[in-house]
Order: sequence, then structure tokens, then C-alpha cells
Amino acid sequence: GDSVTQMEGPVTLSEEAFLTINCTYTATGYPSLFWYVQYPGEGLQLLLKATKADDKGSNKGFEATYRKETTSFHLEKGSVQVSDSAVYFCALSDDKGGGADGLTFGKGTHLIIQP
Amino acid sequence: EPEVTQTPSHQVTQMGQEVILRCVPISNHLYFYWYRQILGQKVEFLVSFYNNEISEKSEIFDDQFSVERPDGSNFTLKIRSTKLEDSAMYFCASSAYGLAAYEQYFGPGTRLTVT
Repeated sequence: GDSVTQMEGPVTLSEEAFLTINCTYTATGYPSLFWYVQYPGEGLQLLLKATKADDKGSNKGFEATYRKETTSFHLEKGSVQVSDSAVYFCALSDDKGGGADGLTFGKGTHLIIQP
Repeated sequence: EPEVTQTPSHQVTQMGQEVILRCVPISNHLYFYWYRQILGQKVEFLVSFYNNEISEKSEIFDDQFSVERPDGSNFTLKIRSTKLEDSAMYFCASSAYGLAAYEQYFGPGTRLTVT
């Protein structure tokens, strides 16, 4: 079945550092890929998405490129801020059947940015 | 900006009791979902719902669970006889379309504690 693997946290960085959170996936079809973010005490918010190979999703300075050849969707940001501290979830959705399929999530990566 | 809301934010119940978790999806969305996240584990898909019936469900969604859209705005998850292992954060989500490329919007979650 489908699965998502992302790097374990917590990841601790200093403000203005470069961020990479690795995400790889296994899927039987041609999935759409997502990054969700969860700030403390809040629900999951969509950060960015890509729906086909070589697409780049971007939002709030974050980017991720759908790499079919390496089955990856790594999240990057050039200069992180303290306000980026949150848990980041990589997820995929695959149109397997005729119904509305749920998302398959990774375990989440807790990012801590220190001033 | 429209958002998904959930009530209550925290529910404590005794083992064997029935609980109903409530969600109000985004008003023009047609597809509704429930997920759960046991502490320290992945967010897991439970069920999707469209046109007043279940669209897809996971292995977790057994006979102890049921979903309902009792009126034009609410979407509920009922657990008939709670077990200790049902303790988790439950997230409701909605989307305009059921295809993989369309993002799901999540509520803030209900933390269920079974004692």
C-alpha cells in the first residue's frame, strides 16, 4: 500500500539557517503530494502541494519539487524564522478507487528554530 | 476565510461509553473526512463521506465507528463503546472535490481521552 517516510525530529536550527526536511513516498499510482504544517495548539494547515512529476509547490518561502525518479518531495526553505517552529507533515493522495481517498501521512517532523 | 470547526476541543469519557465528535465543514464543500492521530504516531485516515454515504474507509473504521450528516452543516463521528486505545486526536477535514489533486482543509481537532 501507499506510504510516506519523513525524517525524524526534532530538527533544531538557528534563525536564518537553511532548512531541508526529507520526504520519500511509495505509491501504486500517480499520487498528488502535500506538505501540511501544524502550529502549536492548531489543526493541520496546507503549506504547499504538487500534483504531477517535476511540479514545484511553493508558499511562504517554502518549496518542494515532486521528483518521480527518486519518489521524493523534500521541503526546503532558504532562511527560517522562529515563527516557522511547528510540526511538518508530508502526505500523499492517490486516486486508487472510485471514492474520495484519504491522505496518507508521514509521522511528522518537529522543527524548532532558535533565535 | 472559511474554516472547518470541531467541538468539543477536548472530551474525556469512560471506557464503554458512547461519544459523538462534531464537525462543521466548509459550507460549499461536498467531501468530508475523519482522521485520527494517536499520541506520537502518524495521522491516520478513518473514513470519507460524500452524498450522504461513506465513500471510502480504512481498516481502522470498524463497526464501533459511524458517521452521519444529521443536517446541512454538521458532520459527526460516533464511537459506540469507547476503548482505551481510542484515545487520540481526531481531525475532521473537508474538500470541494474528491480527487487526489484537491486539498483537504482540516479542523483544529478534538482530543479524546478514554479512562
